[in-house]
Amino acid sequence: SQKIEQNSEALNIQEGKTATLTCNYTNYSPAYLQWYRQDPGRGPVFLLLIRENEKEKRKERLKVTFDTTLKQSLFHITASQPADSATYLCAAKYTGRRALTFGSGTRLQVQP
Amino acid sequence: EPEVTQTPSHQVTQMGQEVILRCVPISNHLYFYWYRQILGQKVEFLVSFYNNEISEKSEIFDDQFSVERPDGSNFTLKIRSTKLEDSAMYFCASSELLGQLYGYTFGSGTRLTVV
Repeated sequence: SQKIEQNSEALNIQEGKTATLTCNYTNYSPAYLQWYRQDPGRGPVFLLLIRENEKEKRKERLKVTFDTTLKQSLFHITASQPADSATYLCAAKYTGRRALTFGSGTRLQVQP
Repeated sequence: EPEVTQTPSHQVTQMGQEVILRCVPISNHLYFYWYRQILGQKVEFLVSFYNNEISEKSEIFDDQFSVERPDGSNFTLKIRSTKLEDSAMYFCASSELLGQLYGYTFGSGTRLTVV
């Protein structure tokens, strides 16, 4: 079965630095990967999506990459702020399936 | 900004009782989903619903679970006879297409506690 792994449970960085979060997948490539933000006790909030045939997408301070050779997506938050502190979830959508397969998330803490 | 609305926000129920979790998806969305998240664990897919029928379900979604879209706006998840292990946050989500443009919009969830 397909697995999505987010290797870091937690990441602590200083305000103003770039946070880089990793998402790895096993076996075959998803059609696209989505990144969500989740605050405690709340539902996931969609941030960015990248397709299998795209290398990089950007939105404001966010950037996501997709490397099918490494079977990995990287999610970057530049000029991080304490308000960026949250859990970030990677989710894969495979061709022919409706379901999203989520990783376990990385908890980001941005220190002022 | 359009929202997915879920009610109730918290539900406590006795083991063996039936519960119905309710959701109002975004009005122009066509695809509807239920996910759950046990405390401290991953978000897990339960079921997707399109054109008034289930389009995919996971192994978790057994005969104890059912979904319905009783009218043009509500989408419900019923658990027929709750077990302790059904305790989790249940999230409803909707999408215009299969989420390939704008992702999925999730509700804030219903925290279900089975005692």
